Amino acid sequence: ETGVTQSPTHLIKTRGQQVTLRCSSQSGHNTVSWYQQALGQGPQFIFQYYREEENGRGNFPPRFSGLQFPNYSSELNVNALELDDSALYLCASSLGGSSQTEAFFGQGTRLTVV
Amino acid sequence: KQEVTQIPAALSVPEGENLVLNCSFTDSAIYNLQWFRQDPGKGLTSLLLIQSSQREQTSGRLNASLDKSSGRSTLYIAASQPGDSATYLCAVWQGNMLTFGGGTRLMVKP
Repeated sequence: ETGVTQSPTHLIKTRGQQVTLRCSSQSGHNTVSWYQQALGQGPQFIFQYYREEENGRGNFPPRFSGLQFPNYSSELNVNALELDDSALYLCASSLGGSSQTEAFFGQGTRLTVV
Repeated sequence: KQEVTQIPAALSVPEGENLVLNCSFTDSAIYNLQWFRQDPGKGLTSLLLIQSSQREQTSGRLNASLDKSSGRSTLYIAASQPGDSATYLCAVWQGNMLTFGGGTRLMVKP
């Protein structure tokens, strides 16, 4: 049990809709990162938030956006959903921004876009 | 751009065997390397974190090594058990992100 919780666990949305995924970080961790994992592949980095500011972004379009709150919980928002957005979305919490300490992942949110 | 490769992609062994999973990366300028386990449809469980200044880490039946100069890491699993069946992912820390390999899907048969 990592202490990182994500909600919901599963979600089905229609193409063109918007979705919000949520993550509660491990206690004391001030950094949250989001990853997208397509079936059969390794996770891909979407972005990282450190002390409520975006602190790096992977190769994802602007319709992927995020927020981090003062309690270090976080949201991932995806607008104008596409079929290819269907994936497992993983949240990871760690300590210290770019200090590359151990990352702890949640159980993920399985998003299906139809 | 960092690329991480894991070989083999899949592995099936009888219970009790010792086994080695391989991970290679193209850019040796990494901070740390982390090994994860992933059960089907689940999140990632951290197994071992190797700092860039370290050469290996051990946890129970698991031992991971890191050779930055050659861009390689190995995960050694001793006396494998059916409960070890899962996908094993290695990931390197560079900047503020993890770059993952595609994983090795391990099946341990009773």
